[in-house]
Amino acid sequence: AQSVTQLGSHVSVSEGALVLLRCNYSSSVPPYLFWYVQYPNQGLQLLLKYTTGATLVKGINGFEAEFKKSETSFHLTKPSAHMSDAAEYFCAVSDGRLQGAQKLVFGQGTRLTINP
Amino acid sequence: DAGVTQSPTHLIKTRGQQVTLRCSPKSGHDTVSWYQQALGQGPQFIFQYYEEEERQRGNFPDRFSGHQFPNYSSELNVNALLLGDSALYLCASSLVSPGAYEQYFGPGTRLTVT
Repeated sequence: AQSVTQLGSHVSVSEGALVLLRCNYSSSVPPYLFWYVQYPNQGLQLLLKYTTGATLVKGINGFEAEFKKSETSFHLTKPSAHMSDAAEYFCAVSDGRLQGAQKLVFGQGTRLTINP
Repeated sequence: DAGVTQSPTHLIKTRGQQVTLRCSPKSGHDTVSWYQQALGQGPQFIFQYYEEEERQRGNFPDRFSGHQFPNYSSELNVNALLLGDSALYLCASSLVSPGAYEQYFGPGTRLTVT
């Protein structure tokens, strides 16, 4: 079975400050890892994904994440927060052995607030 | 290029009733997955359809059923609605192809059961 734990249900940073959202996963098989963002009353938008290869992955809107197998982590960072980054962020894991898109197991989410 | 579309946007039902939600996948996609997102929670996988068959299923009762049509669109049916079924229902589409692991989500249908 796979699971995801997002540390901190609510993170608040100042505009221009570093954003760090934490995600730890549990998986008995090679994981594929994803970060999604959800704006109010909207669906989920893919920020970035890790499948194989380079462990530091870059996504949209200046976000990046690093896959650390030894720590079972996939933390999301952005060097400088912008007001438009305020949203709910979800980390998700799927089975990396299977072809095509497999079921996603999501964390509980982290609400990011940006202070002016 | 239209993304994933869902209908209706919102609906209100009474306990015990039945509901059907609809999803049209992104152009070129052949697989549809459904997720339930309760308020303040992460989405939970309900099931996935490919080639008009249910391929994977999450931990949801048989009251939740689905269908995929030849044009790849899909329906989610929920029978005997419970108050706990109130949630945002998300549809995601994808493509069965080597290296294609992304799922693209629609805006969701907000279901309220009273």
